[in-house]
Amino acid sequence: GQQVMQIPQYQHVQEGEDFTTYCNSSTTLSNIQWYKQRPGGHPVFLIQLVKSGEVKKQKRLTFQFGEAKKNSSLHITATQTTDVGTYFCARGIQGAQKLVFGQGTRLTINP
Amino acid sequence: NAGVTQTPKFRILKIGQSMTLQCTQDMNHNYMYWYRQDPGMGLKLIYYSVGAGITDKGEVPNGYNVSRSTTEDFPLRLELAAPSQTSVYFCASTGRAAPYEQYFGPGTRLTVT
Repeated sequence: GQQVMQIPQYQHVQEGEDFTTYCNSSTTLSNIQWYKQRPGGHPVFLIQLVKSGEVKKQKRLTFQFGEAKKNSSLHITATQTTDVGTYFCARGIQGAQKLVFGQGTRLTINP
Repeated sequence: NAGVTQTPKFRILKIGQSMTLQCTQDMNHNYMYWYRQDPGMGLKLIYYSVGAGITDKGEVPNGYNVSRSTTEDFPLRLELAAPSQTSVYFCASTGRAAPYEQYFGPGTRLTVT
């Protein structure tokens, strides 16, 4: 249905290693948003992807939207301790008036 | 701008008690949302509103009520609190224009015992 599945649920890396989280849907996504939630904090918007095959970069973060618009990924290059938190994808419903969130990927980093 | 504010930050309720979680935004956003987040889980939509006077159910509305008398305020009412409502509650808002990013409040941590 409208659910989005995120993998992995947890990821622990050494500082400086790369990190990737994946968001998958069984149905076509009209758009996908990504949020970051620091421990004890609230979700903060990172980006929205709309176009098939879209790739967007924010410094060390690279966001991709699959060609079939059924999956998306977030890749962080050379993680830093400030990257710690949970990363959520969210599919937009009725445009993006409503969001359905994935379970999130919790990233922890060994300094 | 203060953004989205929520009160209280923390609350402990006894089973059967009622309370209202307050949410205010000062960005003149039309859309407002209430989510709950259980430990280690994603956010589940409880209720949302597309404008003053208009509300609709989300994924998990049972046990909650909302109202939207003004653009700024979107209170969430819990009637007859149950342990299953122990969670962190987030209010969010967004405007009419793309990318429709949602701005979240700091959250209310609620425990029902």
